[in-house]
Amino acid sequence: GQNIDQPTEMTATEGAIVQINCTYQTSGFNGLFWYQQHAGEAPTFLSYNVLDGLEEKGRFSSFLSRSKGYSYLLLKELQMKDSASYLCAVNNQGGKLIFGQGTELSVKP
Amino acid sequence: ETGVTQTPRHLVMGMTNKKSLKCEQHLGHNAMYWYKQSAKKPLELMFVYNFKEQTENNSVPSRFSPECPNSSHLFLHLHTLQPEDSALYLCASSQDDVFRGNGETQYFGPGTRLLVL
Repeated sequence: GQNIDQPTEMTATEGAIVQINCTYQTSGFNGLFWYQQHAGEAPTFLSYNVLDGLEEKGRFSSFLSRSKGYSYLLLKELQMKDSASYLCAVNNQGGKLIFGQGTELSVKP
Repeated sequence: ETGVTQTPRHLVMGMTNKKSLKCEQHLGHNAMYWYKQSAKKPLELMFVYNFKEQTENNSVPSRFSPECPNSSHLFLHLHTLQPEDSALYLCASSQDDVFRGNGETQYFGPGTRLLVL
């Protein structure tokens, strides 16, 4: 079956670093996406990994290990506006984008 | 601004009503998608259209009827819905159909918050 697991909730402090993990078991793999979704708004694209390793984009980085079925999103220098839901999604070889339930991140002062 | 717009943003309807959700993308993409997002659940893919042709129906009940008149517009026609259909309905578009395995990034609209009474 298809399964994407990520923590339901996380809390972190402004200025700190937080790592949101995602593990997956899918019928195939053709890349992993991270999206950010603020309450009541559209999910917005953050990153895409298809090869093993770390992709860095400003304060946000995403890591992928295909052999372990594992990814994480790293957020540095947290800001209050980073409070949002973070969605992990896998593009399986069947072509569907399979989403995890999302991790609700709360950034505290 | 993601270039994908949806109307209405909020909709309340009775179980006997008929309504339509509209999505428009201004990105020149060829593929469009409908997703359902319920509280505390992952986004669920409902329908996929590529070059106006439906390429995926993810076992969606017939009370949801999609229409794609061109690559820029996508509709979701609703009739005789149930209260459990209350959710956020998201439209997305991508340059091409992810079924080709290119891993194309999908861009989402803000969604329509639907409440069925």
